[in-house]
Amino acid sequence: KAGVTQTPRYLIKTRGQQVTLSCSPISGHRSVSWYQQTPGQGLQFLFEYFSETQRNKGNFPGRFSGRQFSNSRSEMNVSTLELGDSALYLCASSLVESTDTQYFGPGTRLTVL
Amino acid sequence: TQLLEQSPQFLSIQEGENLTVYCNSSSVFSSLQWYRQEPGEGPVLLVTVVTGGEVKKLKRLTFQFGDARKDSSLHITAAQTGDTGLYLCAGGGYSGAGSYQLTFGKGTKLSVIP
Repeated sequence: KAGVTQTPRYLIKTRGQQVTLSCSPISGHRSVSWYQQTPGQGLQFLFEYFSETQRNKGNFPGRFSGRQFSNSRSEMNVSTLELGDSALYLCASSLVESTDTQYFGPGTRLTVL
Repeated sequence: TQLLEQSPQFLSIQEGENLTVYCNSSSVFSSLQWYRQEPGEGPVLLVTVVTGGEVKKLKRLTFQFGDARKDSSLHITAAQTGDTGLYLCAGGGYSGAGSYQLTFGKGTKLSVIP
């Protein structure tokens, strides 16, 4: 069974631009969560989607948004990029419940110049 | 806001030595998970503990959940170079809005030197 895939793996943007990251969950998994990982703050929860609806949200500004499609694939978007948005963005999928085991993808490394 | 403090932040040891990593919080968690993350990859789940006082063993790794479900430890016996990586603990619990969420510690970066 294929794991969680994320595209692109690496991305370089400049301040003020926007970016869209993609996540394909494990086949059959319906919940997708997004995390931001930085050396200073560690792994921080962004949001979770289930059945195309945002089920849970972390404490990030509205510049961070996401969506989920009917095939469970998910995208996250960051608008008006800031230098502090440079991070590894991780996607995790789980079967149904938030309490189910989460399987992480390899992440997208975003650098904002 | 629930916080998890991990210690030490960095650990460099010789192959064959033993080590313990700690994960502490002032909050109670319904479960505690340990992950290992290698460079260029996402975290991989090692174990989940749910009962206060629970001890789980995974080969040379021993995981313990505190009696009050606020802290946990990971002990590695006879470390090997393949144990090198970032070890993350994550507490599971329900937010004020009733949603289940994982709160991660910042991690312990372990280097095992041959």
